[in-house]
Amino acid sequence: DIVLTQTPLSLSVTPGQPASISCKSSQSLLYSNGKTYLYWYLQKPGQPPQLLIYEVFNRFSGVPDRFSGSGSGTDFTLKISRVEAEDVGIYYCMQSIQFRTFGQGTRVDIK
Amino acid sequence: QVQLVQSGAEVKKPGASVRFSCKASGYILSNYVMHWVRQAPGQRLEWMGWINAGNGDTKYSQNFQRRVTITRDTSANTAYMELNSLTSEDTAVYYCTRDDYWGQGTLVTVSS
Repeated sequence: DIVLTQTPLSLSVTPGQPASISCKSSQSLLYSNGKTYLYWYLQKPGQPPQLLIYEVFNRFSGVPDRFSGSGSGTDFTLKISRVEAEDVGIYYCMQSIQFRTFGQGTRVDIK
Repeated sequence: QVQLVQSGAEVKKPGASVRFSCKASGYILSNYVMHWVRQAPGQRLEWMGWINAGNGDTKYSQNFQRRVTITRDTSANTAYMELNSLTSEDTAVYYCTRDDYWGQGTLVTVSS
């Protein structure tokens, strides 16, 4: 099974400051079609996960452009350019090249 | 707009079974794969299985292989999951998801 490891596990950020979350995969997520199957989600308290980024760097519909994804192969990063109060929650990476597995989550709160 | 509406919360005794429903609207169920994912208290999201809603093919996580069955009714645009032989460790919120859209979740509490 593919294992995803996120760091850090928690992050406290001053509003307006940037934040960055890493996701490392135990196997390459690059498929033979050239696509890399790594997603990012945000789960706000009491809500289901909501898709932010798909296939490493594509923002989902309605996602603010302060969110960006990057990386390749086994190493990926989610960046928030300027954190806002509404960005609090738990961020998960997920791979979809081999069924589905999720990272352990990164809790983001506001200082 | 795409919506996935799940059935309501359940309380079950150990050894019982539970059946979840996930009604899709805003798109044709059979055009997509539907996944089921659960989240136990304080735990990461855990994939349980999927169904190709077009042809009915299923694939299950080895962790649930012997206890889970995923089906769909294309005429009702609804997917279902049944989980058997419940234990307290199955207490969790269960989600259906298309990867891009998620249901609101169904809380199952297993307690004697």
